[in-house]
Amino acid sequence: DAGVTQSPTHLIKTRGQHVTLRCSPISGHKSVSWYQQVLGQGPQFIFQYYEKEERGRGNFPDRFSARQFPNYSSELNVNALLLGDSALYLCASSLRQGGNEQFFGPGTRLTVL
Amino acid sequence: AQRVTQPEKLLSVFKGAPVELKCNYSYSGSPELFWYVQYSRQRLQLLLRHISRESIKGFTADLNKGETSFHLKKPFAQEEDSAMYYCALRGSGGYQKVTFGTGTKLQVIP
Repeated sequence: DAGVTQSPTHLIKTRGQHVTLRCSPISGHKSVSWYQQVLGQGPQFIFQYYEKEERGRGNFPDRFSARQFPNYSSELNVNALLLGDSALYLCASSLRQGGNEQFFGPGTRLTVL
Repeated sequence: AQRVTQPEKLLSVFKGAPVELKCNYSYSGSPELFWYVQYSRQRLQLLLRHISRESIKGFTADLNKGETSFHLKKPFAQEEDSAMYYCALRGSGGYQKVTFGTGTKLQVIP
């Protein structure tokens, strides 16, 4: 198993554009969480999905949305990009909703110009 | 609200010296505390969690509820310990919202 995979690796967008980031969890994992990591900071929680339903949301504007598919992969969407959205976006998967170790992907580096 | 504070951005120690990475937290209930590590060019990975009460790679961490701290310790630093270390907290309620600190870069000098 390659572990958690994310695509793309890097992405450059301009202000006002929309972006979709993708995550494939470890086989058998049903929970996916998304984090934003700005340079010099720790990861900040955006969403958690479990069994295709949103189970938690961090303090992010409605421009951020996500979904989980029947195969447990997930997409993070960001609309109307701002310069401040430039960050590393991390996906983490775990077996179940709570009480389990999270396994992180390599991240997608988003640059907004 | 839950908050994690790591007061040191950078900690430099000599090989063989003891290491203590500080972590303080704020949470009204019973939290679960973790230490994550990120080695150069590698993914963020779990180092240890307080409920396991285990030692990983010689590191230990004890949850002190009175001082709301979860400091990471190792008696003798090794060069391969050089990495970024994040303290993290998961609150009660079942879901996986994990609040991370800003991280401490540990530099072990040969």
